[in-house]
Amino acid sequence: ETGVTQTPRHLVMGMTNKKSLKCEQHLGHNAMYWYKQSAKKPLELMFVYSLEERVENNSVPSRFSPECPNSSHLFLHLHTLQPEDSALYLCASSHGQGATETQYFGPGTRLLVL
Amino acid sequence: GENVEQHPSTLSVQEGDSAVIKCTYSDSASNYFPWYKQELGKRPQLIIDIRSNVGEKKDQRIAVTLNKTAKHFSLHITETQPEDSAVYFCAASEAGSYQLTFGKGTKLSVIP
Repeated sequence: ETGVTQTPRHLVMGMTNKKSLKCEQHLGHNAMYWYKQSAKKPLELMFVYSLEERVENNSVPSRFSPECPNSSHLFLHLHTLQPEDSALYLCASSHGQGATETQYFGPGTRLLVL
Repeated sequence: GENVEQHPSTLSVQEGDSAVIKCTYSDSASNYFPWYKQELGKRPQLIIDIRSNVGEKKDQRIAVTLNKTAKHFSLHITETQPEDSAVYFCAASEAGSYQLTFGKGTKLSVIP
């Protein structure tokens, strides 16, 4: 698959579990983003990496931990989540720096926390 | 920080009619305004964007207008088709910022 891919597509986890979401972009972009999409709420920016450095962290709880080992891969490590963390987690990437560049989204990971 | 309000939250139109979705923003420094379409179970995809040095932009049946003085921008879809049914999100961003602030979305239903 080309573009932005995410795995897994669906995830069910208990509040004591540890899991990781993976995102990979095949577009040669140098910025990657994590968003949370909940029902009836705007997409919420969680983290931004530019040239593998974190440049934005929007007051996200520490139970979410991002990792960007290189410009093509982005991870979101999850631990001791709460039921209210259930949502669609979207990864995106863009060329260049700043949000004024077109962002290309992955298909998302549908997360359910029990 | 930026705040983006989007209206209406739901919109139903007959096939062939036009649809208009409106957004307002709060930060006068914002200068980039993209629109994303998200079909059910699919990823958001950019359909059109506009920058503050332009008042209107058109791409086939889709157009976006921007009024910087009033701080609002609108999406216009003409000759709507059933495949236009989706949730549409507006967003705003400032040059140099990594923050893209989204509206809550408009669910558009095109009735055949």
